[in-house]
Amino acid sequence: QVQLVQSGTEVKKPGASVKVSCKASGYTFTGNGIHWVRQAPGQGPEWMGWINAGNGETQYSQKFHGRLTITRDTSASTSYMELSSLRSEDTALYYCARDSRYTTNYYFDYWGQGASVSVSS
Amino acid sequence: EIVLTQSPATLSLSPGERATLSCRASQSFSGYLAWYQQKPGQAPRLLIFDTFNRATGVPARFSGSGSGTDFTLTISGLEPEDFAVYYCHQRSIWPITFGGGTKVEIK
Repeated sequence: QVQLVQSGTEVKKPGASVKVSCKASGYTFTGNGIHWVRQAPGQGPEWMGWINAGNGETQYSQKFHGRLTITRDTSASTSYMELSSLRSEDTALYYCARDSRYTTNYYFDYWGQGASVSVSS
Repeated sequence: EIVLTQSPATLSLSPGERATLSCRASQSFSGYLAWYQQKPGQAPRLLIFDTFNRATGVPARFSGSGSGTDFTLTISGLEPEDFAVYYCHQRSIWPITFGGGTKVEIK
């Protein structure tokens, strides 16, 4: 069965960087994109960016441009999300989500369990 | 960026009642809308895609409708497991965006 398993809780100080991993299993990793979505406490989800796990191409939300890097390691079936210059507003639950094609459009069908990132001095 | 505004923020209903959730887009788009359900401590779950279609395993009491800027999720006859937060979501025009959510709570 498809699973996305993320790394654990992170506590960081302002200005630091965080790197969260997302290990995929149960399907061919290079056949689907992986998106990163965060959710601040009590808020709706916020899309951050994605990576084509097949060719490694990435696309980021303009909001995070320059601070966000998404990578993947096909040999480990794992995607990574690194966010730098952290500030308190980055405190959130960070999810990875698999992209799948439904009819002619793509949607997120499987999600990781979320990784909590807390930024505080 | 398309802003999705959901209303109401909270819907207080009893089991068996009908729930009508609204999602309004800041601009019309010709693509499709999705709805996700999220329960406490869980990741979102895809319910409806392409505005109208139920994802695998989603009960028939869930239905989606709408076009342009106005979209609706209807739950006809709330079951205890339906009390949750619901988000609309679009990716027709990038960046991908989500609505702020509607919490369906037990009255």
